[in-house]
Amino acid sequence: DAGVTQSPTHLIKTRGQQVTLRCSPISGHKSVSWYQQVLGQGPQFIFQYYEKEERGRGNFPDRFSARQFPNYSSELNVNALLLGDSALYLCASSLPGTGEETQYFGPGTRLLVL
Amino acid sequence: AQKVTQAQTEISVVEKEDVTLDCVYETRDTTYYLFWYKQPPSGELVFLIRRNSFDEQNEISGRYSWNFQKSTSSFNFTITASQVVDSAVYFCALSEVLQGAQKLVFGQGTRLTINP
Repeated sequence: DAGVTQSPTHLIKTRGQQVTLRCSPISGHKSVSWYQQVLGQGPQFIFQYYEKEERGRGNFPDRFSARQFPNYSSELNVNALLLGDSALYLCASSLPGTGEETQYFGPGTRLLVL
Repeated sequence: AQKVTQAQTEISVVEKEDVTLDCVYETRDTTYYLFWYKQPPSGELVFLIRRNSFDEQNEISGRYSWNFQKSTSSFNFTITASQVVDSAVYFCALSEVLQGAQKLVFGQGTRLTINP
């Protein structure tokens, strides 16, 4: 079975631009979470989507948004890019549950903002 | 708030040595889950283990073993007879339920280098 897939693998943008990152979960998984990993640090939770609704948001501004489609794939959008948005963006999928489900991660998208 | 501390930023050992990665966590929850992930240079986080707070039994999987001690809030990871392929950044994580979402709180990671 295919794991979590993300596209693109790498992306270069300039300040002020907008970017869209894509994620396809493991087949059968209905929950998708997004994390930001700045170089040298652990991943930070952005938000989680389940059944096309956002449930739970970390400490990120409204410039970060996402949506989930009927096939449970997801897109992360970041508007008005800042230099500090340069990071590895990781998507994780999981089976729905009461909170103990394991999150499986994709290879990530490396975003560089110049 | 939940917190995970991995005090060892970098560890370097020679192949075949045993190595232990430390993880200390803070939580007010009585039920919680702990995880270890491996991140090779490619960037993908690879799931290694999940442990719930009610199960304090140590676990062994091949050359990997985990020691969960609730009394000291620690969940340490040992690699026996290390190999060059074990070189990676290892993250310990704690689950937290936030507004109905399961959020993982990660430590800063330990960069493990196995030298031939």
